[in-house]
Amino acid sequence: NAGVMQNPRHLVRRRGQEARLRCSPMKGHSHVYWYRQLPEEGLKFMVYLQKENIIDESGMPKERFSAEFPKEGPSILRIQQVVRGDSAAYFCASSLRQGTGDHEQYFGPGTRLTVT
Amino acid sequence: AQSVSQHNHHVILSEAASLELGCNYSYGGTVNLFWYVQYPGQHLQLLLKYFSGDPLVKGIKGFEAEFIKSKFSFNLRKPSVQWSDTAEYFCAVSNQAGTALIFGKGTTLSVSS
Repeated sequence: NAGVMQNPRHLVRRRGQEARLRCSPMKGHSHVYWYRQLPEEGLKFMVYLQKENIIDESGMPKERFSAEFPKEGPSILRIQQVVRGDSAAYFCASSLRQGTGDHEQYFGPGTRLTVT
Repeated sequence: AQSVSQHNHHVILSEAASLELGCNYSYGGTVNLFWYVQYPGQHLQLLLKYFSGDPLVKGIKGFEAEFIKSKFSFNLRKPSVQWSDTAEYFCAVSNQAGTALIFGKGTTLSVSS
């Protein structure tokens, strides 16, 4: 059973370009979470999605960032007009059911974004 | 806002030494608590979790954690560490809505053989 897949693993973008990060949840999981890890920091929650719905985006920056989880295909985290401060590791997690109480989140290997 | 504090940024131990990593959280209501580990070059893996019941939780690889509600703490312990325990350890708590995990900054554990 394949785990959570993320691609690319490493992404280099120049300032002003767009970055698209993909996440395929574990088979059967319909709940996806995105986290960002800045240097010397822990993981920070960004957004929680179910198929075709954004449930909680309280951790998303107000501008340039968006996320989707279409009916078919992977979840996408999109960053427009990237700046150096966007350089970080972006982790995706998925769970079988909603919430974190009894529903473990399984993490992917992350995408390391470098903005030059 | 909820927060998680991990007291030690970097811990260095010799093999067979005992380990205790501190974790405190800010929220006083019902909480779900987790310890995750990230081995070098690998993704985050769940070590153990607490939802309710026995406050002493056993996890994988000989790790355990004790939930002390009065101290808002969930410290991770292992009686005898191995070189293979070298990794980064993250404490996390679920948010009030149950839609996200709030992580501490992590503790890097280095074990020398």
